[in-house]
Amino acid sequence: GQNIDQPTEMTATEGAIVQINCTYQTSGFNGLFWYQQHAGEAPTFLSYNVLDGLEEKGRFSSFLSRSKGYSYLLLKELQMKDSASYLCAVVDSNYQLIWGAGTKLIIKP
Amino acid sequence: IAGITQAPTSQILAAGRRMTLRCTQDMRHNAMYWYRQDLGLGLRLIHYSNTAGTTGKGEVPDGYSVSRANTDDFPLTLASAVPSQTSVYFCASSDGTGTADTQYFGPGTRLTVL
Repeated sequence: GQNIDQPTEMTATEGAIVQINCTYQTSGFNGLFWYQQHAGEAPTFLSYNVLDGLEEKGRFSSFLSRSKGYSYLLLKELQMKDSASYLCAVVDSNYQLIWGAGTKLIIKP
Repeated sequence: IAGITQAPTSQILAAGRRMTLRCTQDMRHNAMYWYRQDLGLGLRLIHYSNTAGTTGKGEVPDGYSVSRANTDDFPLTLASAVPSQTSVYFCASSDGTGTADTQYFGPGTRLTVL
């Protein structure tokens, strides 16, 4: 079967750095997405990785290792508005998105 | 430009009733999707459409039907609602067909079936 694993919940302090991990086992791999979802709102696109390595975009970076079936999302200089759920999704061999259950990130002052 | 709109925002429905959730996009995207999101579970694909006139079944299609008469609209119908269909429903679209394109989501419809 296909499986995406993320921690259910994480807590971090405003101004700090947090790393949210995602491991996957899917039938094929055609890329990995990270989305942000604030409570009661729609998911919004953060990043897409298809090659190994780190992609940096402002305070957010995303890393991929295809050989390990592993990705992480790194958030720097945390702000209160970063409190949200972060969803990892893998594009499988049929180009369908397989979604993880999401990681709820709580930022404390 | 609105992006993707969904209606209604929320609905309480009696079991056994028929319900259509509406989704409209103005980005001229080829592909559209319907997901349901339940607490503790990832987004699950119900149905999708790679282009106008075609539809396909996702992971959890039973009890739902869709149509794609034109590029902009992709309604989701529950023929006879059951309590297990209580969920938040998201419509999404992407500009490609069969490729790893970014999906853009509507605001969601919160449906409660009693």
